[in-house]
This record gives sequence, C-alpha cells and structure tokens, in this order.
Amino acid sequence: RKEVEQDPGPFNVPEGATVAFNCTYSNSASQSFFWYRQDCRKEPKLLMSVYSSGNEDGRFTAQLNRASQYISLLIRDSKLSDSATYLCVSWDGGATNKLIFGTGTLLAVQP
Amino acid sequence: DGGITQSPKYLFRKEGQNVTLSCEQNLNHDAMYWYRQDPGQGLRLIYYSQIVNDFQKGDIAEGYSVSREKKESFPLTVTSAQKNPTAFYLCASSIRGNQPQHFGDGTRLSIL
Repeated sequence: RKEVEQDPGPFNVPEGATVAFNCTYSNSASQSFFWYRQDCRKEPKLLMSVYSSGNEDGRFTAQLNRASQYISLLIRDSKLSDSATYLCVSWDGGATNKLIFGTGTLLAVQP
Repeated sequence: DGGITQSPKYLFRKEGQNVTLSCEQNLNHDAMYWYRQDPGQGLRLIYYSQIVNDFQKGDIAEGYSVSREKKESFPLTVTSAQKNPTAFYLCASSIRGNQPQHFGDGTRLSIL
C-alpha cells in the first residue's frame, strides 16, 4: 500500500463547478499535511497547509479526517486556470522527518 | 527576491559522464532536498539535508551524490552509475523538516 494515495483522475469539470479530491495516508502518526499544485512541466507550488481539522483559503477548502486517515481538497467555482495536477503531501515525522508526496490528481477545467 | 535557484534548466549527459546540478537558496532555510520526477509519476526523494555538513539518503540514492558545505547550497551529482538518469530534477528547501517545502524550477536531464 502506498503511503499517500490519490485518485490520478483526470477530473474533467466545467467552469464554475465544484470539485473535490480525496487523499488517504497510511501513517497514523502523520501530523502535518499539505496540498501542492503542479502545472505541466513546472515545479510544485504550495497551495495550502492542513495542520488541524481543516483550512480555507478563498475558493479552496482542505479538510482532515484523522479517524479515517484522509485529507480532502474542495475547489468551488472552478476556473480554467485551476487546471493542474494537485499533489497531496504528508509529513512523515519521527526520525526520517520527510515529506511524502502522492502521485497527484489531474484536474482539467473545461470552458 | 528570496527563492531557490536551480541551474542549468536543461542538461545533457554523455555515457560514462558525471554531471552536477546546482541548487542555491537565499531563504535561510536549514533543510534542503533533491527529488526526481519521471513522466506521469510522483516525486521520489533522492537525498536530503537537515543541516550544514549533514545529509541522508532518500528512497532512490543509488547513482547520486550530494554535499552540503554551505547552508545555501546543495549540489547533486548524477554519476555514471545511475543508468537511467533521464528525468526532471527538483530541489526544495524548508525552514525545518515539518514545514512546507519550496521548490526551484527544476533541471531536465537527458542522455545524449
């Protein structure tokens, strides 16, 4: 089982739609989580940090469910510019102190 | 402007050649990382360093080497022992290990 699992998509949605991605993690000791956005052939860029139950930033809402070990990202009123791959990331913690990246979910917003 | 600078943007390696990818940051971050990304795949950790003069192997360290002689610099050498080096290489840094990482814009390495 992968440490961080995401549905690869693609998610094809019309402009203005609301779309949600889920991500599951296997390490119950993980404490910090992040969502990154990666455009084609570019570097990942931090979208949101999720340290407690959730976080909201404009059209973007991230939620954390520790009991079920998943993180979600909700995008409201999708824009064409939201088209990208969204990476779910957990902090491994402990001695290794590493971030664990999911393989990403591809979102394509259609006009 | 503060940030992470990777160079070169594109690099070509000949058979049997070692090449070095540069990564410099002026964010005063303690931790630095090297990742490899293959088409359609996620990021895989090559090496990381949490402090100057110290570094640890990541998940795919074979065929690579690093040094961390200065806080702001973390060069990656792709040695001839790495038989499949063609990939997108990303350098990142963070204040500490549990903080978000900020990425450079990457180096694309190909074999001639």
